[in-house]
Amino acid sequence: AQSVTQLDSHVSVSEGTPVLLRCNYSSSYSPSLFWYVQHPNKGLQLLLKYTSAATLVKGINGFEAEFKKSETSFHLTKPSAHMSDAAEYFCVVRNTGNQFYFGTGTSLTVIP
Amino acid sequence: DAGITQSPRHKVTETGTPVTLRCHQTENHRYMYWYRQDPGHGLRLIHYSYGVKDTDKGEVSDGYSVSRSKTEDFLLTLESATSSQTSVYFCAISEGTTSATFNEQFFGPGTRLTVL
Repeated sequence: AQSVTQLDSHVSVSEGTPVLLRCNYSSSYSPSLFWYVQHPNKGLQLLLKYTSAATLVKGINGFEAEFKKSETSFHLTKPSAHMSDAAEYFCVVRNTGNQFYFGTGTSLTVIP
Repeated sequence: DAGITQSPRHKVTETGTPVTLRCHQTENHRYMYWYRQDPGHGLRLIHYSYGVKDTDKGEVSDGYSVSRSKTEDFLLTLESATSSQTSVYFCAISEGTTSATFNEQFFGPGTRLTVL
């Protein structure tokens, strides 16, 4: 069975400091992994996806995620937070049946 | 943006009444999904479809039914709405090919449903 665990429900950072949002996955095979972002009262937008071509994945708006099989992790990072990064972030794993399983989300607050 | 629309965008209804939400896509994607989003739960899959007339249950399917008579339309029906079904409902689509690109989902704008 596939599942993801987002380790922090809320993260607060100061503007200009690094962002780390943590995600651990459970999968019986090599997983497909994604990060989505949802701004307040908006729909969901894909930030990045792991395609097995490279363990370090670059996404939009300066975000990156590193796939670590030994740690079953897919943490999302950004070197310098911007006010516009304040949003809800979801880690997602996909199974071979094309079903997608969402984590419970991490709410990111950026303090000016 | 992927061509996905949801209707209505907002609805207020009373307990016990039937409600139908519509998802329409212009991308010709094979897979379509209905999720509900509630605080503290992320998105939870209600039902999904892998082709015309081919549907299956998700993790929170009780009280919901779906139909897909055309590739572009996926309907979600609450036969008799309850207050516990007050939520934001999202439709999503995916190509579902067998390629190794791990294709992602694209989401509609959401429908906010309130059951009084």
